[in-house]
Parts: sequence; structure tokens; C-alpha cells
Amino acid sequence: QQPVQSPQAVILREGEDAVINCSSSKALYSVHWYRQKHGEAPVFLMILLKGGEQKGHEKISASFNEKKQQSSLYLTASQLSYSGTYFCGTMTYSGGGADGLTFGKGTHLIIQP
Amino acid sequence: NAGVTQTPKFRVLKTGQSMTLLCAQDMNHEYMYWYRQDPGMGLRLIHYSVGEGTTAKGEVPDGYNVSRLKKQNFLLGLESAAPSQTSVYFCASSYSGQGGGYTFGSGTRLTVV
Repeated sequence: QQPVQSPQAVILREGEDAVINCSSSKALYSVHWYRQKHGEAPVFLMILLKGGEQKGHEKISASFNEKKQQSSLYLTASQLSYSGTYFCGTMTYSGGGADGLTFGKGTHLIIQP
Repeated sequence: NAGVTQTPKFRVLKTGQSMTLLCAQDMNHEYMYWYRQDPGMGLRLIHYSVGEGTTAKGEVPDGYNVSRLKKQNFLLGLESAAPSQTSVYFCASSYSGQGGGYTFGSGTRLTVV
């Protein structure tokens, strides 16, 4: 079942922060995050494998709450280059972890100067 | 540069025609996937492969067939194209079905008229 992403879209000024959420109705084995710019392929950002795991760089990080079956992506002090559509991809235990990611519908992020 | 290469990049088909999309990766990845992307729908899994000679159905497999005769190649076939198959098709590969991020190809934009 497709994970639900929120918000669907967000407009920020350069330097502002954003949080993108991804929630699932099924128990999750892992969560991936990707960014896609218009007309391009999705690009892998990070993967979270363990409940409670937090990952990322100084300005782009993510957390995974296994019990709540959700993950959040944090963009701090956003830059113009952060603009794009962000997708979470989830993997459930039922498929043994190898039957492909199920992606959310995406969150459109627009950064204005 | 190492990565995933998709051919062709663009194609227009008439209803009922057939075609094959080719995906080639040079990273020695075991896992390969075919997704379609439609506006507002995110990425939906068509078929996937966990190794040479294996294929399996994803979320939206109807109207498509696949083959993985060589580890580096994953072919997606449309036997009788329909307007509903108008979409952008992305191939992806991963070294691990569970713990690895996906590397996507640049996509094939297919229009069926």
C-alpha cells in the first residue's frame, strides 16, 4: 500500500526550514528518500533501516519511527538547489525486503530567493 | 560514468504496436526494477528482478512483460500498446534488495496515440 506523504507542496524562502512526512499503514522494514528535479531521474538521498535511526548531513537529515510507521525528512536552512519533488519509498516486512520500493506521491518543494 | 542507461529516451507508438525498452547497468547490481511515473501518482512498480534469469510482478504488471537474460540488462516489453500506457518509464538498479539505495536511469518518455 502506497505511503502517504505530507504536505503535498510547500513554498519556502531561501534559508527557511522544511519537514516532509511519510507514513504507512503497514510495518516498515526500511524507508528511502529521493529527490527528483523536473525532467530528471530521482536521485537517492538516504536510507533508514532501523527504528529510531536518524541520518543525514548537517542540512538534510531524516528520522524513522518504526513504531509509528513513519519517517520525516528535515531540510534546514534551505538552498535554491533543494527545489524539486521529494519521494519516500517504503519497504515492508511481508515482501522479505526484496520486492521493490513502494513510493509515495511526492512532495513538491519550491525554494524562492 | 557508471550508472543505468535507458534506451530510447523518447518514443511515440500507435495503439496496438509493440516495443521494447532496454535498461543496462554497469555496476554489477543484482536487483533491477521497472517503474512508471504518471502525474500525481508517484512511481509505481511494474516488474522487478532479483537476479539474472528471474523476474517477478510488481504493482501494475498488466500489459507488460520483462526479461533478464543477462545480469546487466533488464528489458521491458509492451506487446500491444494502449493509450493508458502513455507514461515516463524509469529503470532502477540496486546492489541489495533490502539495504541499498536505487540508482535510476534517465527515463523513457512514451506516448501512445
